[in-house]
Amino acid sequence: GDSVTQTEGQVALSEEDFLTIHCNYSASGYPALFWYVQYPGEGPQFLFRASRDKEKGSSRGFEATYDKGTTSFHLRKASVQESDSAVYYCALGDTEGADRLTFGKGTQLIIQP
Amino acid sequence: EAAVTQSPRNKVAVTGGKVTLSCNQTNNHNNMYWYRQDTGHGLRLIHYSYGAGSTEKGDIPDGYKASRPSQENFSLILELATPSQTSVYFCASGNRLGSSSYEQYFGPGTRLTVL
Repeated sequence: GDSVTQTEGQVALSEEDFLTIHCNYSASGYPALFWYVQYPGEGPQFLFRASRDKEKGSSRGFEATYDKGTTSFHLRKASVQESDSAVYYCALGDTEGADRLTFGKGTQLIIQP
Repeated sequence: EAAVTQSPRNKVAVTGGKVTLSCNQTNNHNNMYWYRQDTGHGLRLIHYSYGAGSTEKGDIPDGYKASRPSQENFSLILELATPSQTSVYFCASGNRLGSSSYEQYFGPGTRLTVL
């Protein structure tokens, strides 16, 4: 079945560092790809999505580019702030017509001031 | 603003007991979802629904039932709770946007402990 792999379980950075969180997917079709963010004590929130190869999604300074060749959708931000500390989830949309998402295991981002 | 509420927010249950988690959405979304969140596993889909009267199995449905009596309400039922079902449960609502895109709006979660 479809799956999402986030290689980093935790990333620790200092303020103003460059962020990359890796996301690779495996799917039989051509899925839409998503990033969600979860702040402590809250439910996940939609960050952005991309639906086709080479499309870039972005929001709040974060961005990711759909790469069908490498089956990746890596999250990047040029300069992180302490307020970016959260858990980030990569997800893919179902490729067989169901209105559902498959999430990765999440990456905990810790920003030290 | 999208609104998904869950009750209770915290629950302690005994092994073998029945637990019902409730979810209400005021977004008028067709779809609703139940996930559990565990360290090392991320978010895993238990059941989902396309509308009143409909329920579909997700990736980990064993030990759980779902009920969608109306557009607004979606319940998750643990008939015989076990300690392995101790987790944080999230409800979400959403709609399809075009042919390949959809958003989901999550509630604040319910922390369930089964002793």
